[in-house]
Amino acid sequence: AQSVTQLDSQVPVFEEAPVELRCNYSSSVSVYLFWYVQYPNQGLQLLLKYLSGSTLVKGINGFEAEFNKSQTSFHLRKPSVHISDTAEYFCAVRGSTLGRLYFGRGTQLTVWP
Amino acid sequence: GAGVSQSPRYKVAKRGQDVALRCDPISGHVSLFWYQQALGQGPEFLTYFQNEAQLDKSGLPSDRFFAERPEGSVSTLKIQRTQQEDSAVYLCASSPTRDPTAGELFFGEGSRLTVL
Repeated sequence: AQSVTQLDSQVPVFEEAPVELRCNYSSSVSVYLFWYVQYPNQGLQLLLKYLSGSTLVKGINGFEAEFNKSQTSFHLRKPSVHISDTAEYFCAVRGSTLGRLYFGRGTQLTVWP
Repeated sequence: GAGVSQSPRYKVAKRGQDVALRCDPISGHVSLFWYQQALGQGPEFLTYFQNEAQLDKSGLPSDRFFAERPEGSVSTLKIQRTQQEDSAVYLCASSPTRDPTAGELFFGEGSRLTVL
C-alpha cells in the first residue's frame, strides 16, 4: 500500500529564512515521489520529482528535496524563502496502479515580511 | 487551450440534486484524472482515463459518481443525488504520457461543490 504523511499542517517563517517541509512515505512498489505547490486560486503545479538516480533533486523556484530510502523521507527545502513562496505544498507518491498518485494532506507555508 | 480548464468554478447544489462538472484537458493529452479534495485534505484519486477508455474507477466513492470521456478529450464528472459529504473541490488533471506517474500532471483550478 502507498501513503504519504506530511508532519506539519502549517509552517510560518520569516522572509529570507530557510525552510524545510517534511514528508514521509510508505510504498510497496518502486518509489516515485513528487512535490506539488498550490498558490491561492490556482491549480496544483509540479515543483520537483524523484524517479531514480541522484537522491538530491532540484526543482523550480530554488526548491530542492532529498530522497532518503532508509528513513522513507522526501523533505523539501529552500535556503531562503520569499513572500511569494506562500502557498500550500503537497507531497505525493506513485501508486501501484497506473496513473494513480497518493497525496499527503498538505503543508501551508506562510512567509512573513 | 493553454491549460486545463474546469467549469463551473463554483457550484452550490441542494441535497438530492444532480450535478455535472466539466473538464477540458490540454489539447492532445492522452491521460486524464479526476481527484476529490475535501477541506483540509490532500487530493484523493477518483478515476483515470487513457483517451476514451476509463482504466481505473476504483476511487469513485459510490455508484452516485459517474465519469465519462466519450471522444477522448473533454470529460464530465456527474454526481447524482448529491449528499453533504460530496462537498469538496473536484480537480481535473491531464498528462501527455501514457504513464503519467513518471512525469507531470497538469491540474485545473478545480470546481468547488457545496451541497446544502
